[in-house]
Amino acid sequence: EVQLVQSGAEVKKPGESLKISCKGSGYSFTSYWIGWVRQMPGKGLEWMGIIYPGDSDTRYSPSFQGQVTISADKSISTAYLQWSSLKASDTAMYYCVRHSGNYYGSGGPDYWGQGTLVTVSS
Amino acid sequence: QSVLTQPPSASGTPGQRVTISCSGSSSNIGSNYVYWYQQLPGTAPKLLIYRNNQRPSGVPDRFSGSKSGTSASLAISGLRSEDEADYYCAAWDDSLSGPEVVFGGGTKLTVL
Repeated sequence: EVQLVQSGAEVKKPGESLKISCKGSGYSFTSYWIGWVRQMPGKGLEWMGIIYPGDSDTRYSPSFQGQVTISADKSISTAYLQWSSLKASDTAMYYCVRHSGNYYGSGGPDYWGQGTLVTVSS
Repeated sequence: QSVLTQPPSASGTPGQRVTISCSGSSSNIGSNYVYWYQQLPGTAPKLLIYRNNQRPSGVPDRFSGSKSGTSASLAISGLRSEDEADYYCAAWDDSLSGPEVVFGGGTKLTVL
């Protein structure tokens, strides 16, 4: 059974750094792209970017380029999303997703993590 | 403002058939597959339809998807109270800055 298990909720102050995680299991972690999706409170879904754990090829949505860093450690089947300096506007639920296609741009999200709630407040 | 356009709300009574539309352009729906997701209150989204009209195992055949040109639709027949949720369409967009996934703004379905 494919599972994506994310790290727990975080409460941070503006300016702090943060790294959240997403551990995949039940499939070949290095053979599928892993993406991240943001959902701000009461709002819709926004795709942030994607990484191929097999070779760490990483792409970002222009809206999120330079704002976050996506990485992965294939030895422990885990992907990461990190911020170097959080802002209040980063407050949101963040989902990791597995993409169904084998190459970039080929498949949409098929499996979703349970979400990690990030709250940034002074 | 979302790249894909969905009506913000839809409603129906139990047993009825409801359709949710998703409008895009030649760079996304017009040239790529459409995906649909159901998000029940307080939960993560779940894949409902992939590759325009395919249902993952476990998704009831009351849910169906279609695509024509730069628009797509999700139809739910035999509406049930447990279908009350937010529904999102998505597709890859072949933008000038490189492909990216774009979502619709979501449609809140109310079962009256």
